[in-house]
Parts: sequence; structure tokens; C-alpha cells
Amino acid sequence: GAGVSQSPSNKVTEKGKDVELRCDPISGHTALYWYRQSLGQGLEFLIYFQGNSAPDKSGLPSDRFSAERTGGSVSTLTIQRTQQEDSAVYLCASSRDPAYEQYFGPGTRLTVT
Amino acid sequence: KQEVTQIPAALSVPEGENLVLNCSFTDSAIYNLQWFRQDPGKGLTSLLLIQSSQREQTSGRLNASLDKSSGRSTLYIAASQPGDSATYLCARKTSYDKVIFGPGTSLSVIP
Repeated sequence: GAGVSQSPSNKVTEKGKDVELRCDPISGHTALYWYRQSLGQGLEFLIYFQGNSAPDKSGLPSDRFSAERTGGSVSTLTIQRTQQEDSAVYLCASSRDPAYEQYFGPGTRLTVT
Repeated sequence: KQEVTQIPAALSVPEGENLVLNCSFTDSAIYNLQWFRQDPGKGLTSLLLIQSSQREQTSGRLNASLDKSSGRSTLYIAASQPGDSATYLCARKTSYDKVIFGPGTSLSVIP
């Protein structure tokens, strides 16, 4: 079946602009995760959604970051007033249940110029 | 601070060798632990998941173990092949909604 998909695969934006990143989880997966991987750095956990429940936003790096998940399926990560330090690969993962394996999408490479 | 460390940071071995990758964490709170591989420029591929109630999981040439009391997990790769070359990451889930990744071990298997 189809895996986790993310769009766009690459995004180049100017400093100060807003960007939206999209994640389509595997059908039927209730848990959805967002991560960030900066060049030469490890994966940084950003936010987790379980079904339609309100997420814990404490992992988001600043208040310029927000995320939502509509209808318990597709999720968007929005970065407002982008800064150069936001440049990274943003990865999304989903799992059938929090106790089960996470499956990752290919990521969106964001470059802020 | 909850941290996950991985040793070694990089490893180069000749083809055919058995090898062990280590993952350590600073406290015993664990929901599950998952091992991934990441190929350059690509996303993560799940290898094995160990629940907190389990001691080990096996898939083909891979075996992962979990020792909560010592805060360690190991990934054993038998009869390594050049196609095993990748970065291996462990991810510790501390609760249903928190995940911490280690920095990874970069493995190179020389033909």
C-alpha cells in the first residue's frame, strides 16, 4: 500500500516568508509525528498528533511554528516569518497506534535564503 | 535532560563481519525503542521495534535487544554486507507522545 507522503519535496523560500509543509499519513494510522533534521544534526522531535486530540506543542522550536491535523488524517506544518536557521529536512511519520512502528515519509527539504 | 547516545559514531568493517551498534539512554522511562536506518539523502526505514515489556526482536540478520535496567539497546548485524552501509538511528519513546532520537552510527561495510 501507499506509504507516508510529503509535499513539497523541496522548498526554497526567502527569509521572512511563510511556508506550509504537508504530510499524508498511511491510511488508518492514527498517530502522526513531525521531526526536523538539520544538516549534520540528529532528528529533533517537533510535535505528535493522536487522532483528533489536541497535540502537545511544547516541542515546537518557537511560536513561529504551528501544526494542525484535519479530520485525523492530513497534517500541515506552518512556519511563519522563516529564518535561515529553519533550513532543514522536515520529516513526517505515522503509526497505527503510539505503541507501533513509525513509518517515515521522504521529507521536505526547506532552504531559507 | 533525557538523552540518547550512540556508540560508535562511525564504524568501518570488512564485508562478512558481525557487528554491534550501541544505544544508551539516561533514564529507565521507556515506552518502546525503535531502530532505523537512513541512507544518504533519504528518509528513515524502520528495522526493528522493541516494546518496553520485551527483551529482543529479530528480523533476518538483525537482532535488537533492550535492557531497561542498564538503559541500553544493542543492534547486532550478522554477516555484514556492503548494502548494510547506512546511518543507523535508535529512537526511544519515553511516553506515548514523546520520542528522542540518538545521533546515529554511520556504518560503512567494505567489500
